[in-house]
Amino acid sequence: AQTIHQWPVAEIKAVGSPLSLGCTIKGKSSPNLYWYWQATGGTLQQLFYSITVGQVESVVQLNLSASRPKDDQFILSTEKLLLSHSGFYLCAWSLTGANYAEQFFGPGTRLTVL
Amino acid sequence: GDQVKQSPSALSLQEGTNSALRCNFSIATTTVQWFLQNPRGSLMNLFYLVPGTKENGRLKSTFNSKESYSTLHIRDAQLEDSGTYFCAALNTGNYKYVFGAGTRLKVIA
Repeated sequence: AQTIHQWPVAEIKAVGSPLSLGCTIKGKSSPNLYWYWQATGGTLQQLFYSITVGQVESVVQLNLSASRPKDDQFILSTEKLLLSHSGFYLCAWSLTGANYAEQFFGPGTRLTVL
Repeated sequence: GDQVKQSPSALSLQEGTNSALRCNFSIATTTVQWFLQNPRGSLMNLFYLVPGTKENGRLKSTFNSKESYSTLHIRDAQLEDSGTYFCAALNTGNYKYVFGAGTRLKVIA
């Protein structure tokens, strides 16, 4: 069975500080991976997606970057946090090579920027 | 305007009653997903639809691609059905899922 793990569970960070959020998927080879952002009380917005190691496409520019260093790992980061980065970050996966495939979400990371 | 418009935005249901949630699409789409987000934020997959209808227990969902809408019917609502329901439609122009704004459902005893 596939499992998707996100870390950390929650973070409180200062404006201007760096950030690194992680996502790992186990039990599925070469999945498509996605990062989504959700403002408090808002909807989900896709930020990045990756179909293979080393390849990441940006969907929405929010002064964030993403990397896929391993087949099962997706990292979201920034060198300087903004207040507007606060919210809930969700990682998702879908089957390889099928952009229209069903997406499954991780438990999320709640980020508060002060 | 909204590419995926969900209605209603909020709903309060008496336990044991039925209701329907709806999503209207202004984008070309071939695939729809419905999710339930719990208060902790976890998203549970409810349905993954191509045009047609699926049923799972007390839930039933239809995706009508010709008229660009999808519905989620909840029968015999239970307290554990409370949460925020999201639909997401695949935009076939760029193959990105677009989420609706959500329906906040509260089931009361």
